[in-house]
Amino acid sequence: NAGVTQTPKFQVLKTGQSMTLQCAQDMNHNSMYWYRQDPGMGLRLIYYSASEGTTDKGEVPNGYNVSRLNKREFSLRLESAAPSQTSVYFCASSGPAPMNTEAFFGQGTRLTVV
Amino acid sequence: AQSVTQLGSHVSVSEGALVLLRCNYSSSVPPYLFWYVQYPNQGLQLLLKYTSAATLVKGINGFEAEFKKSETSFHLTKPSAHMSDAAEYFCAVSGRSRGSTLGRLYFGRGTQLTVWP
Repeated sequence: NAGVTQTPKFQVLKTGQSMTLQCAQDMNHNSMYWYRQDPGMGLRLIYYSASEGTTDKGEVPNGYNVSRLNKREFSLRLESAAPSQTSVYFCASSGPAPMNTEAFFGQGTRLTVV
Repeated sequence: AQSVTQLGSHVSVSEGALVLLRCNYSSSVPPYLFWYVQYPNQGLQLLLKYTSAATLVKGINGFEAEFKKSETSFHLTKPSAHMSDAAEYFCAVSGRSRGSTLGRLYFGRGTQLTVWP
């Protein structure tokens, strides 16, 4: 019972390089999210997908794109990485209210842009 | 709009002492409220959640929190701290309307708990 799985766990990029962070959930949840965590800032929402086929911007979407490939998978892409995108990235998923009342998080991807 | 304020970015207590981590929320309607814990280099683990069933919520590891609508607060407490409680704690709020995206959480900035022997 894996829950939410993120890959890779660690990544170092050079400025200007691109990469895609992968996320998959096996809980049949409709909604999926990408957050970034920075010291002293808590977690901030980058993008979310309320259901398969839809995506919406969160608080800090600039410099990112997302794809909801199917119900299970939600990827985050950095087209041209910048040092300001050095962060820990978390993927999460949730079912619909009010039947489900919490989000489940992956273990995170630690990204460093040099 | 929803927001969360955690008072105190760092809290230090002695082992065996009371733990009190403060959280105030701003929401137009009573929301869902959560406390998450994060140990070093790990993901977020749900400690407890408030979904209106009861105002005093008990979670894992001996933690509990009380929802006080009049004070818009959801403070986290533990009667007796243990060394293993040292971690970062996040308070979060989510909307509760039918079909709302529960994972669209608004997080506080976190409180780092240090436990001294």
